[in-house]
Amino acid sequence: DQQVKQNSPSLSVQEGRISILNCDYTNSMFDYFLWYKKYPAEGPTFLISISSIKDKNEDGRFTVFLNKSAKHLSLHIVPSQPGDSAVYFCAASAYGGATNKLIFGTGTLLAVQP
Amino acid sequence: DTGVSQDPRHKITKRGQNVTFRCDPISEHNRLYWYRQTLGQGPEFLTYFQNEAQLEKSRLLSDRFSAERPKGSFSTLEIQRTEQGDSAMYLCASRETGSAAGKLFFGSGTQLSVL
Repeated sequence: DQQVKQNSPSLSVQEGRISILNCDYTNSMFDYFLWYKKYPAEGPTFLISISSIKDKNEDGRFTVFLNKSAKHLSLHIVPSQPGDSAVYFCAASAYGGATNKLIFGTGTLLAVQP
Repeated sequence: DTGVSQDPRHKITKRGQNVTFRCDPISEHNRLYWYRQTLGQGPEFLTYFQNEAQLEKSRLLSDRFSAERPKGSFSTLEIQRTEQGDSAMYLCASRETGSAAGKLFFGSGTQLSVL
């Protein structure tokens, strides 16, 4: 049962253009969402997050949008840079749960072409 | 703050052998998680500790797997009688004390290869 889904295994964009990574979830109890970035042979590193009480959160070049009715979130990277090339994971958690563990999607490999 | 530390970074073992991995979380973090990641998949939750108490274990954690956090600081994950299907990256993460919801800080992982 895949509660967090990233349906695009890969995405290629030109340097300077916008990258849009998508994520869908099925569990309506999720109320906190995060994006992680992962390079090969390294652990995931936190990028940006959003609470369910918001529909947008910005941090520099990164913006996350949340559409609760559609159970969909997206990560926008503008402008994209070659150093952004990595695997991006969407994750979700349910506040108030005993563990607040994160449930991850399968990831999207972003390649930013110079 | 040196971040979450995992040791070893790589482990190659033969099927049937036992292996043990260590995780040192960020010092002020009392919540510790183990995840497993295989190729093409996202990290999958294995188990969770709050201080020294193991509060949740995933169904993925078979009887061959055991995790401890004896003093509420570092943690170990042991796999007994390893199988080829255990080959994966094992990730440890910690979360700051008192944070009800929030990001996890991950270590660099231990890449296990079972031959």
